Amino acid sequence: NAGVTQTPKFRVLKTGQSMTLLCAQDMNHEYMYWYRQDPGMGLRLIHYSVGEGTTAKGEVPDGYNVSRLKKQNFLLGLESAAPSQTSVYFCASSYGTRNQPQHFGDGTRLSIL
Amino acid sequence: GQQVMQIPQYQHVQEGEDFTTYCNSSTTLSNIQWYKQRPGGHPVFLIQLVKSGEVKKQKRLTFQFGEAKKNSSLHITATQTTDVGTYFCAGLLGGKLIFGQGTELSVKP
Repeated sequence: NAGVTQTPKFRVLKTGQSMTLLCAQDMNHEYMYWYRQDPGMGLRLIHYSVGEGTTAKGEVPDGYNVSRLKKQNFLLGLESAAPSQTSVYFCASSYGTRNQPQHFGDGTRLSIL
Repeated sequence: GQQVMQIPQYQHVQEGEDFTTYCNSSTTLSNIQWYKQRPGGHPVFLIQLVKSGEVKKQKRLTFQFGEAKKNSSLHITATQTTDVGTYFCAGLLGGKLIFGQGTELSVKP
């Protein structure tokens, strides 16, 4: 089992460019999450999904969109990247209920110039 | 704003010393989870506490959940260099897991 796989691992963008971060899990988890991690801020929830075809906003959703077309995949999109979105992005997944342990991917380090 | 507060932000200890990080919430938590993130790595689940006053141990690590379910602590006895990393608490609030800011532990051999 690969667990949770994130691609790409690193990316540098120019302000205004768009990109999509891909998260894939092979554990048949219902719940998937996108977080961003900034120094001194811990992990902040961007968007999450409680099942295929569903998405919901987290703490810091502005500037991001997500899609969950397949159960195993959760995509995070930046339509027009801004320097404030420079961060490390983590995807996580968990079993059916939200109080289950979350399994994290290795992260994507994104820099916006 | 941040609803789960964690202190201290940084802790530097000599190998063999004890370490404690504290997590506090202004509202009652359904449960609390603890994660460890090694430098350059991703958060890894350590444990979950659900019951009021619950205490759990994992070798040198002791986790406590307060009686009012508003605070929690992680204590490491006799730290080792392998304990280096950032420890996060995460409380379940309104159906969402809210992470504290984390405590970064460094251990000097």
